[in-house]
Amino acid sequence: EPEVTQTPSHQVTQMGQEVILRCVPISNHLYFYWYRQILGQKVEFLVSFYNNEISEKSEIFDDQFSVERPDGSNFTLKIRSTKLEDSAMYFCASGGPIRSGANVLTFGAGSRLTVL
Amino acid sequence: AQSVSQHNHHVILSEAASLELGCNYSYGGTVNLFWYVQYPGQHLQLLLKYFSGDPLVKGIKGFEAEFIKSKFSFNLRKPSVQWSDTAEYFCAVRGYQKVTFGTGTKLQVIP
Repeated sequence: EPEVTQTPSHQVTQMGQEVILRCVPISNHLYFYWYRQILGQKVEFLVSFYNNEISEKSEIFDDQFSVERPDGSNFTLKIRSTKLEDSAMYFCASGGPIRSGANVLTFGAGSRLTVL
Repeated sequence: AQSVSQHNHHVILSEAASLELGCNYSYGGTVNLFWYVQYPGQHLQLLLKYFSGDPLVKGIKGFEAEFIKSKFSFNLRKPSVQWSDTAEYFCAVRGYQKVTFGTGTKLQVIP
């Protein structure tokens, strides 16, 4: 069964450092998302990406965050200058082509980010 | 704006007990509804989904959910839980594009 792959599985960084989280969505999917889950809290929407641009973003997704699909396969989330409160599990998700229902999202295993 | 409420934050059941987890949503248009499960140390997995048609949907592992439009609800049920069902369960709604998750319900099944 196709899956969404995320790397790294765990990253520890110092406050103020830049972090890039990588995702390889399912190959024929057109919709891409980042969500995060702070320990013990709910899964929060960060951003959605379609047709090579951001289609929606939450209040959390401020100027410190950016997303990119640099080569048609990877989908990256960059945090420019990490803060302690960025420590969370970051989930990438992708959704299928419209004809098969783009509404079901397949999630990756997550990248745990720890900011010290 | 779309939102999801899960009223049970932590549920403890004995094996073979029946389960019902509540989920209510708000959204002004047509919605798609989901239940996701997150087993300890694992990622989110889709349990079941509702797009249209029969409001009673069956998912994996014996779970089912009923969409009641008049109550804006999509409760998850299982007639007899097992220890392996111990996990966190998230109700989710999709309106225009993004999926919004509820706060989750931690289910602990005692052998």
